[in-house]
Amino acid sequence: GDSVTQMEGPVTLSEEAFLTINCTYTATGYPSLFWYVQYPGEGLQLLLKATKADDKGSNKGFEATYRKETTSFHLEKGSVQVSDSAVYFCASSKAAGNKLTFGGGTRVLVKP
Amino acid sequence: DAGVTQSPTHLIKTRGQHVTLRCSPISGHKSVSWYQQVLGQGPQFIFQYYEKEERGRGNFPDRFSARQFPNYSSELNVNALLLGDSALYLCASSSRMTDGYTEAFFGQGTRLTVV
Repeated sequence: GDSVTQMEGPVTLSEEAFLTINCTYTATGYPSLFWYVQYPGEGLQLLLKATKADDKGSNKGFEATYRKETTSFHLEKGSVQVSDSAVYFCASSKAAGNKLTFGGGTRVLVKP
Repeated sequence: DAGVTQSPTHLIKTRGQHVTLRCSPISGHKSVSWYQQVLGQGPQFIFQYYEKEERGRGNFPDRFSARQFPNYSSELNVNALLLGDSALYLCASSSRMTDGYTEAFFGQGTRLTVV
């Protein structure tokens, strides 16, 4: 079945550091790919998405590129802030329907 | 407009009991999905309903059931609760089901603790 694997955390960074969270997927066909963020005590918020190969999703300074050849969708941000501290989830969805398959999540802690 | 609302926000149940969780989707959204998020893990898909019909089911035992009402709200029912059912239960709504992805909006979840 479909699956998503992302690097385990926690990832601890200083403010203004560069952030990378690795994500790879296995799926039949070509799924849409997403990054969701979960702040403490809250539900999931869509951060960015890419629906086909070579698409780049971007939002709030975060970027991820859909790489079909490496089945990856790594999340990057050039300069993190304390407010970026959260749990980040990589997810995939097949073209038909909306079922999301999530990775295990990566906790990011940004220190001042 | 109100987002996805779930109730209750927290509850504690005893092993063997039954629980009902409720979800109201965003106005105009016809699809509701349920996910279970065990502490420290990613959400796992339980059910999807669209236009009051079940359209998808994840790998969960028959103790889990759900339904969608004419106003598109939904209930998730869990019978014979086990300690392992302790989790955050998330509801997501989307406007429709299509061949392409339609964004899902998540509620804040119901935290279920089974003791």
